[in-house]
Amino acid sequence: ETGVTQTPRHLVMGMTNKKSLKCEQHLGHNAMYWYKQSAKKPLELMFVYNFKEQTENNSVPSRFSPECPNSSHLFLHLHTLQPEDSALYLCASSHPRSQKQYFGPGTRLTVL
Amino acid sequence: SQQGEEDPQALSIQEGENATMNCSYKTSINNLQWYRQNSGRGLVHLILIRSNEREKHSGRLRVTLDTSKKSSSLLITASRAADTASYFCATDKGAQGGSEKLVFGKGTKLTVNP
Repeated sequence: ETGVTQTPRHLVMGMTNKKSLKCEQHLGHNAMYWYKQSAKKPLELMFVYNFKEQTENNSVPSRFSPECPNSSHLFLHLHTLQPEDSALYLCASSHPRSQKQYFGPGTRLTVL
Repeated sequence: SQQGEEDPQALSIQEGENATMNCSYKTSINNLQWYRQNSGRGLVHLILIRSNEREKHSGRLRVTLDTSKKSSSLLITASRAADTASYFCATDKGAQGGSEKLVFGKGTKLTVNP
């Protein structure tokens, strides 16, 4: 266990549903990240939060909406998703000025 | 893009053999990291090598870095079935305001047969 938890671990949703992914860490890290991992593609960075402020939005469609209420929690709100959004969504965190990232186990998302 | 590219894409070996995976990247870096991912799980950090280092060891892992060739290799010695996983290299240009933007390659899928 890396100390980063994600819920739910599996999610199946229709294109009209609204759901949220949750990530939590109590490692004292101040940077948190959302990544998307699709089959046969490199891991894609989606969002970066640093001290609760969004510092990176990697041209992610607006149907993905992140929220970082504090340094320990990160959410990814989903609405009106497409089948091609089906993927493993990984959360990670890191200590300020540390290059090492700690990953959660991921949420396997299937959009029908 | 400074994306890392791992080679080979897949590698199958027998238990006890050594496994070598390579990573190439395109732009200058501050450091390079290797991560491991078991099927359908999160990534686990293995080792970090800085741009001014040429070789680093951690247990059965040996990483080399050749900045002139923009390449790195990960060697796993005396492999075990439990080493079966995907291995990714990740490059960065240094922390920006306290967070680190890493760029990952597609990974090498290693299978170690008992």
